Amino acid sequence: QITLTESGPTLVKPTQTLTLTCTFSGFSHSTAGVAVGWIRQPPEKALEWLAHIYWNDAKFYSTSLKSRLAITKDSSKNQVVLTMTNVDPVDTGTYYCAHLHTSNYHSYDFWGQGTLVTVSS
Amino acid sequence: DIQMTQSPSSLSASVGDRVTITCRASQNINTYLSWYQQKPGKAPKLLIYGASTLHSGVPSRFSGSGSGTDFTLTISSLQPEDFATYYCQQSQSSIMYTFGQGTKLEIK
Repeated sequence: QITLTESGPTLVKPTQTLTLTCTFSGFSHSTAGVAVGWIRQPPEKALEWLAHIYWNDAKFYSTSLKSRLAITKDSSKNQVVLTMTNVDPVDTGTYYCAHLHTSNYHSYDFWGQGTLVTVSS
Repeated sequence: DIQMTQSPSSLSASVGDRVTITCRASQNINTYLSWYQQKPGKAPKLLIYGASTLHSGVPSRFSGSGSGTDFTLTISSLQPEDFATYYCQQSQSSIMYTFGQGTKLEIK
């Protein structure tokens, strides 16, 4: 079955760069139609889509955060990495990675459990 | 960017009630609309994709409808485990996805 697990620091200082890793199993990121995305959720707030990367290495980013985000994949390691530069306390929240397939109208059908990131000095 | 607006923001209902949540897109998204359920401290779960297709394992009391800009999620007979927050999400624009602000469904 498909599983995804997020990992990274729990505490980051303002202005630093945040690096999160999504390690997955049960699918290949080389399969046509597959993408892995990142979504975050500030405490007690709504979900916010950040970015995703397709099997063919096509990458898409949130318009408002595009200048600060970078997403890469390593299909041999079954990992997707998201980096966010110049973090601020407003970036505090739970970060999820999720699997997407274009055959399901690009919906996120499997999610990781999330990792809580706090930005504070 | 496509904006997604859900209504209501919160809703109180009783077990057995029929409940409808609405999601409106700022432009035509055809049927590229998904619904998710999220319980406190848990990751969201996909309920419906393509506006009306039930994801595997989702109970049949959940249904979705709509196309273009107006969509609904209906729960035909609320069960205790359905009290949660529900989000819609558009994926028409593969350049940028968008979630609605969420609808919190609470027990009356």
